[in-house]
Amino acid sequence: DTGVSQDPRHKITKRGQNVTFRCDPISEHNRLYWYRQTLGQGPEFLTYFQNEAQLEKSRLLSDRFSAERPKGSFSTLEIQRTEQGDSAMYLCASSLLSLDRETQYFGPGTRLLVL
Amino acid sequence: GDSVTQMEGPVTLSEEAFLTINCTYTATGYPSLFWYVQYPGEGLQLLLKATKADDKGSNKGFEATYRKETTSFHLEKGSVQVSDSAVYFCAMYSGGGADGLTFGKGTHLIIQP
Repeated sequence: DTGVSQDPRHKITKRGQNVTFRCDPISEHNRLYWYRQTLGQGPEFLTYFQNEAQLEKSRLLSDRFSAERPKGSFSTLEIQRTEQGDSAMYLCASSLLSLDRETQYFGPGTRLLVL
Repeated sequence: GDSVTQMEGPVTLSEEAFLTINCTYTATGYPSLFWYVQYPGEGLQLLLKATKADDKGSNKGFEATYRKETTSFHLEKGSVQVSDSAVYFCAMYSGGGADGLTFGKGTHLIIQP
């Protein structure tokens, strides 16, 4: 069990550019979550998947944000036309529905800086 | 709506002091409660959890008891170490379809030798 991994760990981009982050969950975890954490705040839930199905996306911050999990394994979070307010830590977590769906295990995060 | 409130930081203590970080919640049902810890530059690590009233979660000398009557889940440790310095987040899972965790703002703990 290698834990949740995220790539890249850091991303610097210019305003208006698109960025994509990847998350690899703990193997065989069928639920995958995305959160945003801004400085001095707790993580804020964005969206989640059960296998390849995106079951909740109303919490995504705007239509510039989208997420996919095409084969039910890794997931990507894309932000289009980035704005300075998108600068934050983006966290991914996973859980196992059949065992204990409430306990989520987090990755190290991707820190985004929009210039 | 659902929310978690925890004491503001930073909290500064001397090594071997007793620690309490307060956490209260507001939820429509009976949530599960968690404490996560975040070390500098890292993601969140699950510290402990409790899934029903009067349950006590414990790990690495930390404890928290789920108190339904006071809607609280205070984190305690009898003797803190410098290595406990981190940000601690109280969180809850109340289900209801969204299935995300609701977090407090975090409490920065600083332990001085």
